[in-house]
Amino acid sequence: QSALTQPASVSGSPGQSITISCTGTGSDVGNYNLVSWYQQHPGKAPKVIIYEVNERPSGVSRRFSASKSGNTASLTISGLQPEDEATYYCCSYAGRVKWMFGGGTDLTVL
Amino acid sequence: EVQLLESGGGLVQPGESLRLSCAASGFSFSTSAMSWVRQAPGRGLEWVASISALHGDTSSADSVGDRFTISRDKSLGILYLQMDYLRAEDTAVYYCTKGGPHRDWFDPWGQGTLVIVSS
Repeated sequence: QSALTQPASVSGSPGQSITISCTGTGSDVGNYNLVSWYQQHPGKAPKVIIYEVNERPSGVSRRFSASKSGNTASLTISGLQPEDEATYYCCSYAGRVKWMFGGGTDLTVL
Repeated sequence: EVQLLESGGGLVQPGESLRLSCAASGFSFSTSAMSWVRQAPGRGLEWVASISALHGDTSSADSVGDRFTISRDKSLGILYLQMDYLRAEDTAVYYCTKGGPHRDWFDPWGQGTLVIVSS
């Protein structure tokens, strides 16, 4: 199984909004509402920011939102802040008690 | 405070074995699904293995197959990953994380333990 497809990098200016896509197949993203998103700063462990497609854990900023359409999930960060600069990973349940991550997207806040 | 603390990483030669441990505290470990996720140097995240909360059913990535075995000691609150027949491509930081079957997201994560497979 290949990793879910994410753009390698995105960038935006403070205050702007960006969207990161995560494309899978009908066997993973398209078949389950079990997509999660993670933020990872350099040298740190990942942190969940979205689960079950569009649910935000307690304590995560409302600037983070997500959705899914067909085989593609999307993460939107609005009102970009310098501290949002990090790598973002999507993850989907892939059936047969297995999970799959995307390749990661480096966000640069200009 | 929820805490996951991995240990057991190190440098091993190809073909050797290693057992990672993850000490859990601050939550109900015995009723939580748990997983291992790894990250090769400069690369992305890769799910490795999971164990279910109640019955201890296990699953693992095709890339590790039956070379790796996940297990847990509920009485001690420790998650394990037994890694056999290690290969160079298993070199990575290994994270312990809460999540897996019926709780399909991973949070929180430990700080990770580095495994280097090299001759």
